[in-house]
Amino acid sequence: GAGVSQSPSNKVTEKGKDVELRCDPISGHTALYWYRQSLGQGLEFLIYFQGNSAPDKSGLPSDRFSAERTGGSVSTLTIQRTQQEDSAVYLCASSIRGIQETQYFGPGTRLLVL
Amino acid sequence: SQQGEEDPQALSIQEGENATMNCSYKTSINNLQWYRQNSGRGLVHLILIRSNEREKHSGRLRVTLDTSKKSSSLLITASRAADTASYFCATEGFGNEKLTFGTGTRLTIIP
Repeated sequence: GAGVSQSPSNKVTEKGKDVELRCDPISGHTALYWYRQSLGQGLEFLIYFQGNSAPDKSGLPSDRFSAERTGGSVSTLTIQRTQQEDSAVYLCASSIRGIQETQYFGPGTRLLVL
Repeated sequence: SQQGEEDPQALSIQEGENATMNCSYKTSINNLQWYRQNSGRGLVHLILIRSNEREKHSGRLRVTLDTSKKSSSLLITASRAADTASYFCATEGFGNEKLTFGTGTRLTIIP
């Protein structure tokens, strides 16, 4: 497909478990972003990749959150020891190069931590 | 933290009327972008306006940017039921590729 894809669409997990969220950016896009949308918190930036490196991790809320990107393509966001406040929609976006460009968003992964 | 505040938080209008949403932000920007979100899922990019631009059009959309007032507006003309969605402004800072989103306006078009 031509757009950004994310998997799974929905994830229900128990508090304390680890989860992995996946993002497939648009082919050829070097910049990749993770955002989180929580009720009452709006959309917040988590991390930005340029190629495989992450020059901006400033939005990761705690050391339980990590992300990697391999081959300049797929990215995985990992949340360890999930907490109920991690429940949110996790959105991935990509753009061709980064600065001054449109970011194209995936459909998101809705995470519910019980 | 949120960069922008959007006004109004919610707006309901009759189909065919024009809808105007406003966004204010706090720091200097490289560009400002407007997005639409349906049903709390993926965002659809609508328009990007750079800091040296004052107005842009795309179909029924008109966006203005006033950097002296740190504000932007999105006008949707001749609204349709399909325009019902949440609309967000997002700013990109200098040397900072991430987007900082506003709080969003929930627009409802009444058929």
